[in-house]
Amino acid sequence: GESVGLHLPTLSVQEGDNSIINCAYSNSASDYFIWYKQESGKGPQFIIDIRSNMDKRQGQRVTVLLNKTVKHLSLQIAATQPGDSAVYFCAVSGGSNYKLTFGKGTLLTVNP
Amino acid sequence: NAGVTQTPKFQVLKTGQSMTLQCAQDMNHEYMSWYRQDPGMGLRLIHYSVGAGITDQGEVPNGYNVSRSTTEDFPLRLLSAAPSQTSVYFCASSRIWARSSYGYTFGSGTRLTVV
Repeated sequence: GESVGLHLPTLSVQEGDNSIINCAYSNSASDYFIWYKQESGKGPQFIIDIRSNMDKRQGQRVTVLLNKTVKHLSLQIAATQPGDSAVYFCAVSGGSNYKLTFGKGTLLTVNP
Repeated sequence: NAGVTQTPKFQVLKTGQSMTLQCAQDMNHEYMSWYRQDPGMGLRLIHYSVGAGITDQGEVPNGYNVSRSTTEDFPLRLLSAAPSQTSVYFCASSRIWARSSYGYTFGSGTRLTVV
């Protein structure tokens, strides 16, 4: 089965800095990757996704990078703001099922 | 467009009691699922469904039942509540295309405490 791990459970950055959150997955057949943001007391919210036929995808202030060779996924947040403070999860899907496997999450704290 | 609606938001149960957590979506999503979230454990899949009349077990199904009689609703039943089921429960739904999910829409969660 799939397992998803994160390199750091917490990350603290200064407002205005760039943030990088990392994720590793185990199944080379995984073909769909998603980043979610969860604010305190709320459900996870979709941020950005990427399919395995891409290496990079950009959104508004966010970029997801996929390295299939080492099975590594990262989320970059540009000019981090206090409103970006939350737990960030990566999720992975693929193979013959519909289920997403979630990482345990990284708590991002943005200091003013 | 309400998205995914979960009720109740909070619930306290006594050990041995049963209850149903409700989940409804209005996006005509084929796929629906239940997760529990515990500190340090991330999101763990309890049960899921790929359409009305079709359900299957996830990673941690023991103590929970589900049914899917309509596309919109996917209730989660706790048969005999135990303190180990104290958790935050999330319902999520998504479209299905080419055997892959398009990313889930989550409900706002139900915080359950079993005493």
